[in-house]
Amino acid sequence: AQSVSQHNHHVILSEAASLELGCNYSYGGTVNLFWYVQYPGQHLQLLLKYFSGDPLVKGIKGFEAEFIKSKFSFNLRKPSVQWSDTAEYFCATGGGNKLTFGTGTQLKVEL
Amino acid sequence: KAGVTQTPRYLIKTRGQQVTLSCSPISGHRSVSWYQQTPGQGLQFLFEYFSETQRNKGNFPGRFSGRQFSNSRSEMNVSTLELGDSALYLCASSLRSAGALGDGYTFGSGTRLTVV
Repeated sequence: AQSVSQHNHHVILSEAASLELGCNYSYGGTVNLFWYVQYPGQHLQLLLKYFSGDPLVKGIKGFEAEFIKSKFSFNLRKPSVQWSDTAEYFCATGGGNKLTFGTGTQLKVEL
Repeated sequence: KAGVTQTPRYLIKTRGQQVTLSCSPISGHRSVSWYQQTPGQGLQFLFEYFSETQRNKGNFPGRFSGRQFSNSRSEMNVSTLELGDSALYLCASSLRSAGALGDGYTFGSGTRLTVV
């Protein structure tokens, strides 16, 4: 079964710091990878996705992710975080008519 | 266009009761999936429906069931509620098949179920 693992469970950063959240996936044939974000009290929203083409994917709110096949990784990055980026971030892989989510990374950005 | 609508937003039930949750997907989306979200377990897949057919089911007991109607609206039912069923239940819709060719989910705000 396809799966993803997120290594950082809690991350605390100061505003303007750079962000990189790790995500590794198990290879199951076709690659469908996603990052979702859940702001406090809000529903899950799609940040970005990759299934083919340019391995550097740009998403909303200045986020990007790079698909590195040789490392089975799909890490999420942002050059400069803001306090409003405080949220929980989920990596997910698709296949078999479902998305399988990682355990999530809780990001707290301090002023 | 309207998003994914889940009703009710909050529910408090007693152990042993049953509950039905409702989800209206985005217009045109034919796939509806359900997830259970808890702090300890994260997002756990319950089941997925497409054109009224259940195509995939997660590792949950038979007390959890669902269905989809011809207009793509979906309901999930939990019978004989247990304290451990307390969670946020999320519905998500997608155009064709979640995960295929980058077809991701659009999530609803969820139903917060508390079992006392």
